[in-house]
Amino acid sequence: GIQVEQSPPDLILQEGANSTLRCNFSDSVNNLQWFHQNPWGQLINLFYIPSGTKQNGRLSATTVATERYSLLYISSSQTTDSGVYFCAVSRDDKIIFGKGTRLHILP
Amino acid sequence: GAVVSQHPSRVICKSGTSVKIECRSLDFQATTMFWYRQFPKKSLMLMATSNEGSKATYEQGVEKDKFLINHASLTLSTLTVTSAHPEDSSFYICSAAPQRYYGYTFGSGTRLTVV
Repeated sequence: GIQVEQSPPDLILQEGANSTLRCNFSDSVNNLQWFHQNPWGQLINLFYIPSGTKQNGRLSATTVATERYSLLYISSSQTTDSGVYFCAVSRDDKIIFGKGTRLHILP
Repeated sequence: GAVVSQHPSRVICKSGTSVKIECRSLDFQATTMFWYRQFPKKSLMLMATSNEGSKATYEQGVEKDKFLINHASLTLSTLTVTSAHPEDSSFYICSAAPQRYYGYTFGSGTRLTVV
């Protein structure tokens, strides 16, 4: 099956800093999403981005499908950005998650 | 739009009892839904694919008789944890895709504690 690797596993930043989270996947996919899991466990869909670049406020994402990776950028981090960020991919209607990046923003 | 509702959000049950978790697509029809399990500080692991009107497809290592899945309508899938034991305690979450090429949306999850 498809392997999804996320890096770094943990990240601690000061409020206001920028960060880049990476997702590598082992095979071609037709779907890639970035999620933020809040402290209550809810998964918030950030981006549906099988290819190309998208931006939403302080967040942006880029997927280079031919090179099998995706990047999530967070600018001017806020304490509310803390939590776990998951990359998830699918090809045959099953979505597979990476292990996540645990982000902690210090005030 | 594209909301998946999951109930209950939290349940505590005694060992040996069964617990049913519901997953509903509120504003779209879902012929396929997915059930995941998440242990503390771990990623989401796909348990099974729920297919409307047919048997669910279980991932390797998931006990079919322990985790019963029923997808009786285009908007409802249920997961029943039978004869629950403390090791079944976990966070269970469901998902569906409103349209195949627009991504998946997830329910808010159910935190099961078996005592």
